[in-house]
Amino acid sequence: KNQVEQSPQSLIILEGKNCTLQCNYTVSPFSNLRWYKQDTGRGPVSLTIMTFSENTKSNGRYTATLDADTKQSSLHITASQLSDSASYICVVSSGGSNYKLTFGKGTLLTVNP
Amino acid sequence: EAGVAQSPRYKIIEKRQSVAFWCNPISGHATLYWYQQILGQGPKLLIQFQNNGVVDDSQLPKDRFSAERLKGVDSTLKIQPAKLEDSAVYLCASSPRALRNTEAFFGQGTRLTVV
Repeated sequence: KNQVEQSPQSLIILEGKNCTLQCNYTVSPFSNLRWYKQDTGRGPVSLTIMTFSENTKSNGRYTATLDADTKQSSLHITASQLSDSASYICVVSSGGSNYKLTFGKGTLLTVNP
Repeated sequence: EAGVAQSPRYKIIEKRQSVAFWCNPISGHATLYWYQQILGQGPKLLIQFQNNGVVDDSQLPKDRFSAERLKGVDSTLKIQPAKLEDSAVYLCASSPRALRNTEAFFGQGTRLTVV
């Protein structure tokens, strides 16, 4: 069964600090891994997408890493801002003839002033 | 470029009543998804359309849920009759094609409360 596990479940940090969110997955066959940001009351918005051959990708203050051997990914947020407060969801897609997305439960990040 | 449009944004109904949600995907997107997101959890796929054909509805509770995508554009998701455990946000997403590495764009969702 395809699964995506995220940690921590929730995280509180002070504005300006850095943080790292973790994602472990058991999805086969692996196609790509995405990180989404979901603000309260809104739909998820894509931050990064990485394929098997990519091990790091940046989007502004967001940097995602992927270790396809250990099936782990991380999302690092630098110099956090209040607007970073949101749920961050790791999504892994499986390839083959029936393309599917497996969602993690998300990490709820709160950035306090 | 207009995003994925969903309506209504909020709906409160009593159990055993019926409800319908509407989704207008991004123009030209062949693939449309309906997800159910229960509070504190990640989205769960209910049904995936490729144009107007169903690709995956394995997790759709077919005894009470139904969905259609007429003419391969707009889609409606219906619940009849609703149960308390159906309270959730229903997200619609679309992508250009159901192929590798394509982006899925989400609407803002419809928050359903069943009382």
